Amino acid sequence: DVKVTQSSRYLVKRTGEKVFLECVQDMDHENMFWYRQDPGLGLRLIYFSYDVKMKEKGDIPEGYSVSREKKERFSLILESASTNQTSMYLCASSPPTREKVNEQFFGPGTRLTVL
Amino acid sequence: GQNIDQPTEMTATEGAIVQINCTYQTSGFNGLFWYQQHAGEAPTFLSYNVLDGLEEKGRFSSFLSRSKGYSYLLLKELQMKDSASYLCAVYDSNYQLIWGAGTKLIIKP
Repeated sequence: DVKVTQSSRYLVKRTGEKVFLECVQDMDHENMFWYRQDPGLGLRLIYFSYDVKMKEKGDIPEGYSVSREKKERFSLILESASTNQTSMYLCASSPPTREKVNEQFFGPGTRLTVL
Repeated sequence: GQNIDQPTEMTATEGAIVQINCTYQTSGFNGLFWYQQHAGEAPTFLSYNVLDGLEEKGRFSSFLSRSKGYSYLLLKELQMKDSASYLCAVYDSNYQLIWGAGTKLIIKP
């Protein structure tokens, strides 16, 4: 079974703190994604990566950065956390979309509260 | 802009059948996914449709009409464990996944 793990299920931080969210997948997937999920809104893509050292902005990258130094690990960084970044953060991975479309596999999520 | 519409919430009775609709307007189409998400958990894959028609998988079926920009997820013989949110997502022409806000399904005994 594909396993995507995230470093924390719940996290509470203060405004202005630097926050690291870690995601690890064990299926050698090339694609990795960071989303945030808020009530009444669909999943919104923050950043994604198609390979090590590569990163692409999603729909809402402002206030976030990412790092992909190893294939299995994709980190989301909040440089200076703000209260409007309080949300559920979901990491996902998938094989590359070359000859066929593949579903994304999700981690359990990190519920981040910024006070 | 790109848009996916689903009802916010639906209620159904245990043992019954429910149909959750999804309409989409996207720049191109490369397939439609349905995911299930229990409260506080990760979304899990249910189905993928790229051609018109009905795909059946046990108690769950998914239908697609590309000309109408429409899909539905049909759940039969509802069980209490089917209480969850159901997310519709479409791959656009750039293989970017566009997500709907999800439909919260409440099952009553």
